[in-house]
Amino acid sequence: KQEVTQIPAALSVPEGENLVLNCSFTDSAIYNLQWFRQDPGKGLTSLLLIQSSQREQTSGRLNASLDKSSGRSTLYIAASQPGDSATYLCAVHGAGSARQLTFGSGTQLTVLP
Amino acid sequence: ETGVTQSPTHLIKTRGQQVTLRCSSQSGHNTVSWYQQALGQGPQFIFQYYREEENGRGNFPPRFSGLQFPNYSSELNVNALELDDSALYLCASSLSTGVNEKLFFGSGTQLSVL
Repeated sequence: KQEVTQIPAALSVPEGENLVLNCSFTDSAIYNLQWFRQDPGKGLTSLLLIQSSQREQTSGRLNASLDKSSGRSTLYIAASQPGDSATYLCAVHGAGSARQLTFGSGTQLTVLP
Repeated sequence: ETGVTQSPTHLIKTRGQQVTLRCSSQSGHNTVSWYQQALGQGPQFIFQYYREEENGRGNFPPRFSGLQFPNYSSELNVNALELDDSALYLCASSLSTGVNEKLFFGSGTQLSVL
């Protein structure tokens, strides 16, 4: 059974800092890994999708990497801003369960002005 | 805004009751997935509907059921509500069932079971 873990559970940084969020998964047989953002009481917004054949994806100040063999992904946020404050979730699309995403519990990020 | 709308936004029910949650998918999307998100946890997959048929199901009991209509909108029905059913219910639509299709989530329905 696929399990996804995110560390740390919460993170507080001053504005302007670069930061890294971590995600690990137990089964390397995946189609893709995705990073989402969730604001309080809201749905999820897709940030980046890395297909299993890719090593990284970039969008603006965000860069996500994928190391399938070690079961790890990182989300790098450059020059953080207070508007980046949210919960960040990673999810994997497992090869054995193509219809569903398996999510981690998220990292709650607070960027202080 | 994702174009995916869910109703109602909040709901309070008592144990044993039944509830129906609704989701209107983004225009042109024929696939809808439902997720349950307990407080402080990541979403858990309930099931997926594709062209009005269930197309995959997570580890949820049969009292969780769904429908998809010809216009691709969807309903999630939960019978015999239990306290542990209290959660944020999210629906997500996508253009197709392809694994690399981007999912567009609604803002969710917050269900409280007393």
